[in-house]
Amino acid sequence: NAGVMQNPRHLVRRRGQEARLRCSPMKGHSHVYWYRQLPEEGLKFMVYLQKENIIDESGMPKERFSAEFPKEGPSILRIQQVVRGDSAAYFCASSPQQGVDTEAFFGQGTRLTVV
Amino acid sequence: QKEVEQDPGPLSVPEGAIVSLNCTYSNSAFQYFMWYRQYSRKGPELLMYTYSSGNKEDGRFTAQVDKSSKYISLFIRDSQPSDSATYLCAMSRTGANSKLTFGKGITLSVRP
Repeated sequence: NAGVMQNPRHLVRRRGQEARLRCSPMKGHSHVYWYRQLPEEGLKFMVYLQKENIIDESGMPKERFSAEFPKEGPSILRIQQVVRGDSAAYFCASSPQQGVDTEAFFGQGTRLTVV
Repeated sequence: QKEVEQDPGPLSVPEGAIVSLNCTYSNSAFQYFMWYRQYSRKGPELLMYTYSSGNKEDGRFTAQVDKSSKYISLFIRDSQPSDSATYLCAMSRTGANSKLTFGKGITLSVRP
């Protein structure tokens, strides 16, 4: 049973380009969470999605960032017109359901570098 | 004031030492408390998960939660070089798989 798969593992973008980060949850998992880890910082919650629904996007920057989790295919975190400050590691986690005793499993992350 | 504060590091100990890692928090709504271990260039993995106040033990690891003081701890007994990693505390209002608020993390190095 494969874990949470994120790709690409490393992504380099020039300022102003778009970055697309993909997350395939574990088999049977329908809940996805995205976190960002800036250098020397802990992980910061960005968005929580279920299939075709955004449940909580309270951590998403108001502009340039969007996320989706379609009925088929991976969850996508999209960053438009990237800036140097977007350079970070982006992690997604998935869980089978929401419940107090259910763990969310993290992927290996995508390391975005904006040059 | 940040919602979750974690002792700054890095921390270096000899093999076999007892390690104490700590976090404080300000949001009294937090009910679930987690410790994650993160190896370099990897994703976090859940080590310990505690609901409300009390102690929980798993092998060489013990997690303690004191909600009255808003203080949580992770103890590692008989530390091993393989324990060298970054340790992150995390908290939530509604469970281990919901929106988590993390501390900054502390890097632990266990010297052989």
